Amino acid sequence: GQSLEQPSEVTAVEGAIVQINCTYQTSGFYGLSWYQQHDGGAPTFLSYNALDGLEETGRFSSFLSRSDSYGYLLLQELQMKDSASYFCAKMTTDSWGKLQFGAGTQVVVTP
Amino acid sequence: GAVVSQHPSRVICKSGTSVKIECRSLDFQATTMFWYRQFPKQSLMLMATSNEGSKATYEQGVEKDKFLINHASLTLSTLTVTSAHPEDSSFYICSAPDRAGSSYEQYFGPGTRLTVT
Repeated sequence: GQSLEQPSEVTAVEGAIVQINCTYQTSGFYGLSWYQQHDGGAPTFLSYNALDGLEETGRFSSFLSRSDSYGYLLLQELQMKDSASYFCAKMTTDSWGKLQFGAGTQVVVTP
Repeated sequence: GAVVSQHPSRVICKSGTSVKIECRSLDFQATTMFWYRQFPKQSLMLMATSNEGSKATYEQGVEKDKFLINHASLTLSTLTVTSAHPEDSSFYICSAPDRAGSSYEQYFGPGTRLTVT
């Protein structure tokens, strides 16, 4: 089964705020990354958390709680172009850069 | 940021033939690269870790004799799908970390869409 769990789909209107939660299994955990992928495109890096707390990058923020094995991605001031799939990915300790991806959350932004 | 390219972007081949996909790091050296496969509407599944100058490390359930990986230089890894079958049709994506950089970002190639007829 999937070692990272995230919701399959979220729908919101332009300008709204969306939070995508991700829970993970702790074995081999080094850090949690978030990637965005538009249909047919390559994943693009959004954020990374190795320590507890909030990382803010423009309209996107990511949070990690290692004690709860939980993280989230916060998308603020949603725009139509934010419609995409968002993946949380666990960076593992056995190889630098090796990622295990969650199933992905399809974010649909409506006018 | 760092750039990773893949070639070809799309390929159609007949069942039973072999297909080679190239992954290049254009402006940095990558001792390690990763190969993923993604089926429509699904997640990226790691297939193998490509190591420059040594054998690739395959994930459980991935046939190493079917998916041949060669990492002959610090900027090039190749994935060869041998004796391709229709079930191998998928989106293949490579990635590489820029170890010289300070971020934890993985740089992904644009992907190769393989269709086996």
